[in-house]
Formats: sequence, structure tokens, C-alpha cells
Amino acid sequence: RKEVEQDPGPFNVPEGATVAFNCTYSNSASQSFFWYRQDCRKEPKLLMSVYSSGNEDGRFTAQLNRASQYISLLIRDSKLSDSATYLCVVIPPGGFKTIFGAGTRLFVKA
Amino acid sequence: EPEVTQTPSHQVTQMGQEVILRCVPISNHLYFYWYRQILGQKVEFLVSFYNNEISEKSEIFDDQFSVERPDGSNFTLKIRSTKLEDSAMYFCASSEGPSVGSVKETQYFGPGTRLLVL
Repeated sequence: RKEVEQDPGPFNVPEGATVAFNCTYSNSASQSFFWYRQDCRKEPKLLMSVYSSGNEDGRFTAQLNRASQYISLLIRDSKLSDSATYLCVVIPPGGFKTIFGAGTRLFVKA
Repeated sequence: EPEVTQTPSHQVTQMGQEVILRCVPISNHLYFYWYRQILGQKVEFLVSFYNNEISEKSEIFDDQFSVERPDGSNFTLKIRSTKLEDSAMYFCASSEGPSVGSVKETQYFGPGTRLLVL
């Protein structure tokens, strides 16, 4: 099983749609989880941290399910500018090594 | 807004040559990281650095790689004898604290150095 696994997509959605991404991780003792977005040939940029209670930032909602070892990201009312690759990031125990998923590509079309 | 900077933005080198990639982390950050991303592939962790020493490294970070914080602002990655397969984008990142569930754990990435080994 891969350390961090994501559906590669691509997801093609119209503007205004709701889209959800899932990510699974293998190390049940992992403590820290994030969603980053990466535009083509650019650096990853933090979208949001993921906490056990779930968290929301505007149109974005992240959830963590420790029992099933997965993280989700929900994007509501998709905008053209949401088109990017969404990276699931997990930090195992110890805290210094960071594991990226391969990313899920999203295309939002007018 | 403070940001991580990296130089050069692009580097072309011959196989077997040494390269040094430079990064200036955010000034109050204490933890520094290098990653690489081969074109079309995922971001891969190379090394983390704290208190002037390596805190963790991946299997990729072999003897041809080294890191250094030569002064109070720069953080460098040296590749001693480059191989064709070292061609990739190299990202530097920094964070205020370690990744133990606090808000200080967020890593901020620089724009990257695109390395091409011929």
C-alpha cells in the first residue's frame, strides 16, 4: 500500500459544481495532514490544514477520518481559478519527513 | 508577506558537475526542507534541517547530496556529481516549528529551481 494515495483524476467539472477528493494514508500513527494546491510548474501552496474535528475555509471543507485513515477535501461552487492539482500531504510520527500524494488534477470549465 | 526565495530559477549543468542550489527561508523560521519533483511526478521529500543539523533524510538523499546553512539567512543544497536523473524541480521550504499538530508546522515553499543535467 502506498504511503499516501490519491485518485489522480482528472476531474472535469463545470463552474458552480461541488467536487470532492479523497486521500488515504498507510501510517495510522500520522499526526499532521494538509491539503496543498499546485499550479502547473509552480510551488505547492497551502490550502488548508486538516484537523480531527474537520475544518472549513470559505468554499473549502476538509475532513479527517482516523479510523479509516482517509482525508477528504470538498470544494463548493467551483471557480475557474480552482483549476489546479490538489496535493494530499501527511506527516508521519517524528514530524520531520513529509509525504506528498501524487495529486488530483481538477479542471473547472465555464 | 514574507516568502521563501530560491536562486537560481533555472540551472543547466553537465553530468558529473557540482551544483549548489540556494534558498533564503522566512526569517523567523527554524525548520528547513528540500524537496524535488521530477517532471510529471509527485513531490518527494529529500531532507529536513534544524539547529544546524539534518533531522531526517529520505533514501534519495545519498552521499552525493549535502545541505548547509552557511550563514544566518541562506540554506543550500549541494549535489556533488550530478547525474541525468537529478534533472528535476527542487523546492526549498521552511516552517516555524516542527510538525506536531500546531499552526507553526505549516511549510511554506519557495518557487523552486529547475535543474537540467545534460
